This record gives sequence, C-alpha cells and structure tokens, in this order.
Amino acid sequence: GNSVTQMEGPVTLSEEAFLTINCTYTATGYPSLFWYVQYPGEGLQLLLKATKADDKGSNKGFEATYRKETTSFHLEKGSVQVSDSAVYFCALSDPNTGFQKLVFGTGTRLLVSP
Amino acid sequence: EAQVTQNPRYLITVTGKKLTVTCSQNMNHEYMSWYRQDPGLGLRQIYYSMNVEVTDKGDVPEGYKVSRKEKRNFPLILESPSPNQTSLYFCASSSWGRDRSYGYTFGSGTRLTVV
Repeated sequence: GNSVTQMEGPVTLSEEAFLTINCTYTATGYPSLFWYVQYPGEGLQLLLKATKADDKGSNKGFEATYRKETTSFHLEKGSVQVSDSAVYFCALSDPNTGFQKLVFGTGTRLLVSP
Repeated sequence: EAQVTQNPRYLITVTGKKLTVTCSQNMNHEYMSWYRQDPGLGLRQIYYSMNVEVTDKGDVPEGYKVSRKEKRNFPLILESPSPNQTSLYFCASSSWGRDRSYGYTFGSGTRLTVV
C-alpha cells in the first residue's frame, strides 16, 4: 500500500540555518505530493505541492522537488526563521488507489531558536 | 473567507456518552474527510465522503459514524466514546482538481478527551 516516511524530529536549528526535512514515499501509481505545515494550536495548511516527476513546489521560501527515481520529496529552506517553528507533514495522494485518501507521514517538528 | 469550521475546539466527556463533532465548509467542496492525529502516528483517515449521501470508511473507522445530508456539513458521531478515542480530530474538504493536486483545506481541530 501507499506510505510516506519522514525523518524523526525534532529538528533544532538556529535562525538563518539551512533546513532539510527528508521525505520518501511508496505508491502504486503516480501520486501527487504535498507538504503541509501545522503551527501550534492550529490546523494543517498546505505549504506546497507537486503533481508529476521533476516538478518543484515552492512557497514562502520553502522548496521541494518531486524525484521519481529516488521516490523522494525533501523539503528545503535556505534560511529559517523563528516563525518557521512548526510541525511539517509530507503527504501523498494517489489517483490509482483513490485520490480521496491523503496519506500522511508522521510529521517532523522544527524548532528554530534566535 | 473560505474555511472549514469545526466545533467544539475542546471537549472533555465521559466514557459512553454520545457526542457529535460538527464540521462545515463554505467552499462548495464535494469531498470531505475526518482524520485523527496521534503522537507518533501522524494523521489517519477515519471516514470520507465523495458527495452528498456518499460516505465510506477510511483506515480507522471503528467506533465512529458520519453522515452527509448536505454538501456543506459532515458531522462525526461517537455513539459510545472510549478512552482510546482521546485524540486531536481534523475535518478537511477538497474539490476535484483538474491538475491532480487536490489540495485540502483543514479545520482548526477538535481536541477530545474521553475519561
């Protein structure tokens, strides 16, 4: 079945450091890939997405590239801010098994200190 | 403002006392879903609905019921809550995306404690 694996957290960084959060997936078809962010006490918000191989999703300085050969969708940001502290979820939607199901990773907590 | 509204935000209840968590969206989305979030497990789908009067089980449906009588509303019903249903619950909605992105809009969550 479809699954998403994320790196364990928390990831602790100083402000302006480079961020990478690893995400790999297993899917039967050609999924769409997403990163969602959850700020403390809030629901999940769509951060970025990619729908086909080699697509790059980007938003708010975050980027992720859909790599079919390595089945990965790693999240990166060149210079993190304290306000980026949140939990980040990688997710996939696979039309072959029903796009109605969004399969999530377990989430990675990011803590950014001044 | 486009949004998914859940109520209540926080709820403490006792084992066996029926409860309903409401969810409403104002975007005319066809698809709605309920997830629960537990530490170390991420989000798991409970039930989903493709449209009015069309619902189906997700990965963890046991102990839950849903209904979809109107397009905008998708309540989650716990007929006889148990402590293992203590969790953070999210409702989400989406429309059919021609670009296959199917981005979801999530509610703010309902933190349920069953004692």
